[in-house]
Amino acid sequence: DSGVTQTPKHLITATGQRVTLRCSPRSGDLSVYWYQQSLDQGLQFLIQYYNGEERAKGNILERFSAQQFPDLHSELNLSSLELGDSALYFCASSPHTTDTQYFGPGTRLTVL
Amino acid sequence: AQSVTQLDSQVPVFEEAPVELRCNYSSSVSVYLFWYVQYPNQGLQLLLKYLSGSTLVKGINGFEAEFNKSQTSFHLRKPSVHISDTAEYFCAVSDRSGNTPLVFGKGTRLSVIA
Repeated sequence: DSGVTQTPKHLITATGQRVTLRCSPRSGDLSVYWYQQSLDQGLQFLIQYYNGEERAKGNILERFSAQQFPDLHSELNLSSLELGDSALYFCASSPHTTDTQYFGPGTRLTVL
Repeated sequence: AQSVTQLDSQVPVFEEAPVELRCNYSSSVSVYLFWYVQYPNQGLQLLLKYLSGSTLVKGINGFEAEFNKSQTSFHLRKPSVHISDTAEYFCAVSDRSGNTPLVFGKGTRLSVIA
């Protein structure tokens, strides 16, 4: 157990809908990262937050957004969902910005 | 920007045989290197990391990796694999500034055959 928690574990929804994925980092970690894992794209970095501020942005679609709250938990919002958004979404956390990242168990999103 | 190439997408190996999973990286700056393992239906677990110092890094579950700066490689090895080592293995690189995110290779699926 890495100490990073993600909810829900599974999510099934329809095209056009909006969902929110939640991540609680390890105690004391200030950085939160979001990744998308799909069969065709592999593991893709989406976005990083550090102590509430956006730190780095990767291949994140405009339909996706994230935030990190004062208690350091983070949410990833996915809207206008498409079939191709079906994937595993991982959250990771680290103490600061250059440290080892510890991954949560992931949320499996299925868009029908 | 960094990039990672995992040279083998699949590696089948018999139980108790040695294994090497290859990883090459590209970067114009000094890097940190990582190996993660993903068991079926689970998240990624850190196996080992190279930050500085000795180029031979030992990790969990009997794995080790060697950082070779001249060949820009960070190959993962285990002298004797078990069935339970069957998983997907990811090599990853980040720069030391913290200004760029972790970049992953496409993964190598290790299948251990009884």
